Amino acid sequence: LAKTTQPISMDSYEGQEVNITCSHNNIATNDYITWYQQFPSQGPRFIIQGYKTKVTNEVASLFIPADRKSSTLSLPRVSLSDTAVYYCLVGDGAGSYQLTFGKGTKLSVIP
Amino acid sequence: DSGVTQTPKHLITATGQRVTLRCSPRSGDLSVYWYQQSLDQGLQFLIQYYNGEERAKGNILERFSAQQFPDLHSELNLSSLELGDSALYFCASSKTGGNQPQHFGDGTRLSIL
Repeated sequence: LAKTTQPISMDSYEGQEVNITCSHNNIATNDYITWYQQFPSQGPRFIIQGYKTKVTNEVASLFIPADRKSSTLSLPRVSLSDTAVYYCLVGDGAGSYQLTFGKGTKLSVIP
Repeated sequence: DSGVTQTPKHLITATGQRVTLRCSPRSGDLSVYWYQQSLDQGLQFLIQYYNGEERAKGNILERFSAQQFPDLHSELNLSSLELGDSALYFCASSKTGGNQPQHFGDGTRLSIL
């Protein structure tokens, strides 16, 4: 399973755009990149998933360069409610999807 | 609301006991996953079932076992409980597994006294 590396923590002011970068140097050809958000004492919530280039949905954008060795989750105009832990995961699509959650990035949004 | 239901929400028991945690996946999801999250720790993958069959195994202790029933609900059995088993146990489901995003329940908080 490919390992991922993310910053342990980040701080941001309300209203700013936040970019969290994840490195996954050993990503396999058929691996997708998926981001989850987790609030304390709650289950992780799926945010976005991508394979290459750029993916955008109503809450975030995911940028993946051509070599796919890293990815960046972009949260536009964060609010206090975006304070959470964000996990970047990669995994193979070969039938099972054994997710390996690292420590994630603890994002603190400051008023 | 993720659509994944876990019961009970809280469970308090003593060392040496056995407990069963239950998970109902989202409607239409065939794959169920179990995770353990200890205090200030990341989520540890335990086991995955797909349509009733075990598909992948992670860091699951021999004292723990799981199964997925024909109606697709799943149970995680924890026996000979130790203090270190105190944790949040999450169940997640996805349509088929593979690259499908997983949807997590709110977890069962297990406290061993």
